[in-house]
Amino acid sequence: GAGVSQTPSNKVTEKGKYVELRCDPISGHTALYWYRQSLGQGPEFLIYFQGTGAADDSGLPNDRFFAVRPEGSVSTLKIQRTERGDSAVYLCASGEGHTQYFGPGTRLTVL
Amino acid sequence: KQEVTQIPAALSVPEGENLVLNCSFTDSAIYNLQWFRQDPGKGLTSLLLIQSSQREQTSGRLNASLDKSSGRSTLYIAASQPGDSATYLCAGYDNAGNMLTFGGGTRLMVKP
Repeated sequence: GAGVSQTPSNKVTEKGKYVELRCDPISGHTALYWYRQSLGQGPEFLIYFQGTGAADDSGLPNDRFFAVRPEGSVSTLKIQRTERGDSAVYLCASGEGHTQYFGPGTRLTVL
Repeated sequence: KQEVTQIPAALSVPEGENLVLNCSFTDSAIYNLQWFRQDPGKGLTSLLLIQSSQREQTSGRLNASLDKSSGRSTLYIAASQPGDSATYLCAGYDNAGNMLTFGGGTRLMVKP
């Protein structure tokens, strides 16, 4: 069956621009997670959705980052006024119970 | 706050060797623990999930153990193959079973 998909796979933008990253979870999964992985490091938690609501957004680094999941399925991670330090791979995962299934990630490069 | 550490950061072994990757965590209240594999430029593939009440899980040549009291997990790979070359990440679930906290990973290279 279809796994978690993320688009785009690569995104190059200029400092100060706005970007949106999309995650399509596995059908029927109520939980959705965003993580950020910098080069050579493990992923770091950003935000967790249960259904449509953000159950835990404690990992968002600052108010330039925002995520939505309006219908409880697809989620969009939004980054305003991008900075070079935002360059990383953004991973999405969906899950049921205590198991998370990861997408391939979006590699964001801010020039 | 849970912290997860993986040692070594990188490991190079000849094909056929048995090896152990180590993972330590600071909060023994960890819920489940999961081992992942990540190939360069790719997402994460789940290898083994050790649930809270379990002490180990096995899948093929892989065996993972969990000792909450000592704050340690190990991933044992038997008869390593070049195709095992990848980064291996361990991650612990918080008590609610939601957020995963990852270690920095061990980059494994198995030489033919």
